[in-house]
Amino acid sequence: GENVEQHPSTLSVQEGDSAVIKCTYSDSASNYFPWYKQELGKGPQLIIDIRSNVGEKKDQRIAVTLNKTAKHFSLHITETQPEDSAVYFCAAGDTGRRALTFGSGTRLQVQP
Amino acid sequence: DGGITQSPKYLFRKEGQNVTLSCEQNLNHDAMYWYRQDPGQGLRLIYYSQIVNDFQKGDIAEGYSVSREKKESFPLTVTSAQKNPTAFYLCASSIDPRDGEQFFGPGTRLTVL
Repeated sequence: GENVEQHPSTLSVQEGDSAVIKCTYSDSASNYFPWYKQELGKGPQLIIDIRSNVGEKKDQRIAVTLNKTAKHFSLHITETQPEDSAVYFCAAGDTGRRALTFGSGTRLQVQP
Repeated sequence: DGGITQSPKYLFRKEGQNVTLSCEQNLNHDAMYWYRQDPGQGLRLIYYSQIVNDFQKGDIAEGYSVSREKKESFPLTVTSAQKNPTAFYLCASSIDPRDGEQFFGPGTRLTVL
């Protein structure tokens, strides 16, 4: 089955700096790669996703890149703000087969 | 409002008791999922259902059971056979299994005393 590894487990940045979180996956059949943000005591919320037919996707301060050859994808947050502080999860899946496989999460702390 | 609701938010049970967690969605989604989250860890798939009256085991199904009698409802029962049931349980849904994008409920924190 799919295995997703996520790094780092914790990340502390100063407000205004950029943050990068990286994930690798094992199943070459995976074709859907979402990123979720989870605030304390709440369910995860989708912030951005990418499908295997594109290499990069941006949405304001958030971007995701995908390298299918190397089987890794990354989340980039620019101009970080204190409200970006949360746990971020990457996931990988093969749409049409079953549910997603999640990474172990990254706790991002943005220092004001 | 459209969305996924889970109830209750907090649940306490004595060891050896079965307990059922509720998950309801009014998004008209075909697929529904149950995940378990332990502190500092990612989400692990318990069960999923791609259509009414059908469901499949995920990675950690032992000690759990589900039903999918209605499209909008996917209750999860944590049985006494689950060795370590204390965790945060998350329900999710997607338009169909081929879509990928999942929407999550607010979660239920189960504590077994």
